[in-house]
Amino acid sequence: NAGVTQTPKFRVLKTGQSMTLLCAQDMNHEYMYWYRQDPGMGLRLIHYSVGEGTTAKGEVPDGYNVSRLKKQNFLLGLESAAPSQTSVYFCASSYSRTTSRRGEQYFGPGTRLTVT
Amino acid sequence: EDQVTQSPEALRLQEGESSSLNCSYTVSGLRGLFWYRQDPGKGPEFLFTLYSAGEEKEKERLKATLTKKESFLHITAPKPEDSATYLCAVGGGSQGNLIFGKGTKLSVKP
Repeated sequence: NAGVTQTPKFRVLKTGQSMTLLCAQDMNHEYMYWYRQDPGMGLRLIHYSVGEGTTAKGEVPDGYNVSRLKKQNFLLGLESAAPSQTSVYFCASSYSRTTSRRGEQYFGPGTRLTVT
Repeated sequence: EDQVTQSPEALRLQEGESSSLNCSYTVSGLRGLFWYRQDPGKGPEFLFTLYSAGEEKEKERLKATLTKKESFLHITAPKPEDSATYLCAVGGGSQGNLIFGKGTKLSVKP
């Protein structure tokens, strides 16, 4: 099993450009998440999904959109990139049977995004 | 407001020198406390889940404990390969979404 994979690993954008980050998991998990990690800020939840066709806002959703058309994929879009979106982005997935087990999350390797 | 605070921010140990990392939290409706390990350039890796005060979990040289307001990650006789950033998170809210602390960067020198 590959676990959680993310594409691309690195990307440089200019202000105003758009892009989509792809996350895929092969563990048949219902829940999927997008986080950003910034120095001194820790991991912050952007958006999450509790199942195919559903999405919900996390702590820092502004400037991002997401879609979950297939159970195994979770896409994160930036419509008009800004320098403040320079960060490392992590996708994660988890079981859903109990609320507490949702905290046992499996993370991808991350995408390092720089917006100039 | 739900909050997780980890201390110290960084910890340098000699190989074999035992110590503890602290995670204090305030959350309405705790749905588990979670420890993760993160190596440079990689995603976090799940270590432990603790559900109730008094609970303990062990894995190799690591032992996690939980009280009503904080958790400790005890590292016994650490080795250089234990060097990493250790993240603490609590599950809260109706969906149990994780609230992460900023982490403790552990360096173990041979």
